[in-house]
Amino acid sequence: GAGVSQSPSNKVTEKGKDVELRCDPISGHTALYWYRQSLGQGLEFLIYFQGNSAPDKSGLPSDRFSAERTGGSVSTLTIQRTQQEDSAVYLCASSRAGGRYEQYFGPGTRLTVT
Amino acid sequence: GQNIDQPTEMTATEGAIVQINCTYQTSGFNGLFWYQQHAGEAPTFLSYNVLDGLEEKGRFSSFLSRSKGYSYLLLKELQMKDSASYLCAAINQAGTALIFGKGTTLSVSS
Repeated sequence: GAGVSQSPSNKVTEKGKDVELRCDPISGHTALYWYRQSLGQGLEFLIYFQGNSAPDKSGLPSDRFSAERTGGSVSTLTIQRTQQEDSAVYLCASSRAGGRYEQYFGPGTRLTVT
Repeated sequence: GQNIDQPTEMTATEGAIVQINCTYQTSGFNGLFWYQQHAGEAPTFLSYNVLDGLEEKGRFSSFLSRSKGYSYLLLKELQMKDSASYLCAAINQAGTALIFGKGTTLSVSS
């Protein structure tokens, strides 16, 4: 594909609802990352997938957050029982491999929890 | 733990040179990145340094001193389109992801 794509671009949800955010990485990229960016804050690492290895979930802020990557390609980030503090832009990135390789970011999903 | 510090805002005029500093404290060091992010857009890669010294890429250069935990991004011949946020990021200890600073918002005026 041309680049990393994410859907939806915007999501407004009510507090307490579950949401799913989708990421399609660049074809052939084995590493996939989720970050979130809150107003006035830097990008915050959430989770990392590399090939068939166990994901690095150390950045997930609570057990309401989970992510999966099916077939080594598409990834879904799920937030259960959303809270207002979950409002942020959720960015997905992919790279050829982990570590020092350049990460290509998608356009993000802006999540607003009302 | 890891900590990345960079100034919040900077201003400059077209045609000038600006240096954006970044200091980092990391448990282990695996490399340092600079990304550019225009308002409302995704970050895009600018540079990667893992060895000490200056890496030049057109109007943009990046410098690293591992002993000082210090990097800078140098932008020459500034253009209006360079108005953006510049993000300094270090690879985490596990080598699995980037730890970002809060970014430096650069405003270029005519």
